[in-house]
Parts: sequence; C-alpha cells; structure tokens
Amino acid sequence: QQQVKQSPQSLIVQKGGISIINCAYENTAFDYFPWYQQFPGKGPALLIAIRPDVSEKKEGRFTISFNKSAKQFSLHIMDSQPGDSATYFCAANTNAGKSTFGDGTTLTVKP
Amino acid sequence: KAGVTQTPRYLIKTRGQQVTLSCSPISGHRSVSWYQQTPGQGLQFLFEYFSETQRNKGNFPGRFSGRQFSNSRSEMNVSTLELGDSALYLCASSLSSAQKKLFFGSGTQLSVL
Repeated sequence: QQQVKQSPQSLIVQKGGISIINCAYENTAFDYFPWYQQFPGKGPALLIAIRPDVSEKKEGRFTISFNKSAKQFSLHIMDSQPGDSATYFCAANTNAGKSTFGDGTTLTVKP
Repeated sequence: KAGVTQTPRYLIKTRGQQVTLSCSPISGHRSVSWYQQTPGQGLQFLFEYFSETQRNKGNFPGRFSGRQFSNSRSEMNVSTLELGDSALYLCASSLSSAQKKLFFGSGTQLSVL
C-alpha cells in the first residue's frame, strides 16, 4: 500500500522559475515530514523538514507548505538553479521513527 | 566528522549466491536503517537496528537479514540472490531510533546476473 504519493514523477523548469513538488499521505500517525535531495551516485540528503503543527517552513530558497486537513504537503524551490537538478523525495515518519518515502521527482532546471 | 560509509561501492553477483553489505554510521549515531532503491519502486524500507536490536522491519522476504554490532556498524545479508534483487542498497544512520533525521551513505550498487 502506497502510503505517500508524490507527484509529478518528473519536472522541467527554466532557470529562475519556481519548482513545485507535491506529496499526499494517508496515515494520520505521521508526525514528521522531511524532504530529501539526491544527486546521481550519492545517497539522499536531508533538505528541509516540517512537523504538522506548522503550515509553512522556509529555509533559503526552499519552502515546505503543509495542509494537515488535506493530508498534503509540498516543496517549493524559488529561483530554481541548474545546480538544483536532482531527484527529490518526500517522506513521512511515525513516532516509531520508520520513514516512508514517496517515489521521487526528477527535477531538471534548464539554463 | 566522517559521514556514513558503505562498502563495497559496487557488487556483481550471480543468481543463487549470497552477499553481505557493510555500513559504518556517523560517529555517535546508534541507529542504522537499510533501504532498497530501484527505479520503479523508489526507496523501500528494509529494517532498522538500534543498540544491536532490530526495531522495525519492512515487507521483504526472509532472504534479507541484517545485524548490528556493539560499535553500531551494521551488515546486511541477502541469501539466494534473485535477478530482482538488483538495486542500490542504502544505509542511513541517526542518533537514535526516535531521531528522524536520516543521514545516508552513497550506497552499494548490487547487480545480480
């Protein structure tokens, strides 16, 4: 059962544009929602994370928006740069610590 | 501070063989999780170890097993390899089982022929 659904599967954005990746979850026991960034040949790296008691968190050009009632959260990358080209994974954690990942979004930022 | 180290980086095996992958977590991290990454299935949770005890287990057959040593290093074993086991196996460490920030290694790319 897919507990975290991520879309789109791939995304192409022009340099300077806004990249938006969406995730939806089903399990209301999830209480921590991280986003990971993965470059080819590397493991995923934690980018930014949010807890359900806040609706938005911003770190530099990266923002998470969280809608608890809709059970959805999204990653916004402002002023997207070619160096942001990577695969992005959303994830959700229960209090037990186990992480459930979305299927990933391959982002390409064209110069 | 050194990151998560996984060895070997690449492995080629044939069907029916077994394989052991190794993971050294970040110093001070006591929790180690293993994930299988494939293009079609994304990141699938295998299991998590904390203080040498398996704390969580994913939906993988018994051919997949693991263990953790007293120094927090972990090994993952896959017996009777199948073609479908070809994947990138990622290890992630965290301070504790409840700590949800995962730090991943670069993975072991396993190819089963």
